[in-house]
Amino acid sequence: DIQMTQSPSSLSASVGDRVTITCQASQDISNYLNWYQQKPGKAPKLLIYDASNLETGVPSRFSGSGSGTDFTFTISSLQPEDIATYYCQQYDNLPMYTFGQGTKLEIK
Amino acid sequence: QVQLQESGPGLVKPSQTLSLTCTVSGGSISSGSYYWSWIRQPAGKGLEWIGRIYTSGSTNYNPSLKSRVTISVDTSKNQFSLKLSSVTAADTAVYYCARAPLAGWFDPWGQGTLVTVSS
Repeated sequence: DIQMTQSPSSLSASVGDRVTITCQASQDISNYLNWYQQKPGKAPKLLIYDASNLETGVPSRFSGSGSGTDFTFTISSLQPEDIATYYCQQYDNLPMYTFGQGTKLEIK
Repeated sequence: QVQLQESGPGLVKPSQTLSLTCTVSGGSISSGSYYWSWIRQPAGKGLEWIGRIYTSGSTNYNPSLKSRVTISVDTSKNQFSLKLSSVTAADTAVYYCARAPLAGWFDPWGQGTLVTVSS
């Protein structure tokens, strides 16, 4: 099984800060990596697919990069509405999908 | 746009079978090349993929749950369903249904439904 390790597990930042979350796969997954945002009491929302492609309608302050085993998710300028938990998800070994454990982002 | 809505009992007794249905609106469950998945999330924890079905009826399950899971589709009702047998308290979670293209991202998701396993 492919394991996904996100870091940090929690993060506190100020409005306007640049925020970076990393996700490491236990083996090479090419670019088969997606990022989701989950606000409290809500379903996850797709933000980035295939490592670096911004989903339609998602603000451009969100971005993703990486390939192979190491991936990065960035918010260029943190906004109050970005407070959420963020998850990475791989799909290299379909039909099995696995998620990272999540990164909880809070406002400092 | 396509929307998904989960429905089913919110309380299930231990050892019984959890049954949920996902109703798809705004489009046909049979159109396009999509898989229809169930995903769950225990309170305060991460996301776990349970399984998926294609409109042909072909299914795939998470090996950790495979012996207890059945996913089926009813194209006439634009619905797909989850059955999880022999439940325990560890199966208490919010259960989501979601759509995935042949590539592997989930979008959209249903709003989720909380299922509690308790006597």
